[in-house]
Amino acid sequence: DIVMTQAPLSVSVTPGESASISCRSSKSLLHSNGITYVYWYLQKPGKSPQLLIYRMSNLASGVPDRFSGSGSETDFTLKISRVEAEDVGIYYCGQLLENPYTFGAGTKLELK
Amino acid sequence: EVQLVESGGGLVQPGRSMKLSCAASGFTFSNYGMAWVRQAPTKGLEWVATISYDGSSTYYRDSVKGRFTISRDNAKSTLYLQMNSLRSEDTATYYCTRGSSYWGQGVMVTVSS
Repeated sequence: DIVMTQAPLSVSVTPGESASISCRSSKSLLHSNGITYVYWYLQKPGKSPQLLIYRMSNLASGVPDRFSGSGSETDFTLKISRVEAEDVGIYYCGQLLENPYTFGAGTKLELK
Repeated sequence: EVQLVESGGGLVQPGRSMKLSCAASGFTFSNYGMAWVRQAPTKGLEWVATISYDGSSTYYRDSVKGRFTISRDNAKSTLYLQMNSLRSEDTATYYCTRGSSYWGQGVMVTVSS
């Protein structure tokens, strides 16, 4: 199985400042079709996960452009610019390249 | 608006069975692969099973293979998860998802005597 390793496990951010979350995969997530199958999700307290970023760098519908995704074949970053109170929750990276699809352990974002 | 509504959860004894349903609306259900993802209390996300748009192809994580069956009824726009021989480690909130883009609200399954 592909292992997804996130860092840090928790981050505390002052509102208005930026935050970055890293994710590393144990195998390249770059498909031969040129698409990198890494995804980012946010699970707000008591809610279902919601998709933020798909295929490494594409913003999901309705997601503020304060969120952005980047990376290479095995190292990925989610950046949140100008953190707001509504961004609090647990962020997960996930790979949908091959079964079984797998997720990172999650990064908890809280406000200072 | 895409909606996924799970049902069928609850408390069940170890070794017994339970069937979850996910009613889909707001999109052409028969055009999309679907999946179940679970989350044990205070834990992270775990992909459980996937089914292709027409039901011809399925995939299961090793820990549920042979015990869980994912299926769908495209005429009813409904996804199912039949869970047999349940174990305490199957205790989790089960989410129905369309390609991880859309998620249901989740249904809790508690396996305990």
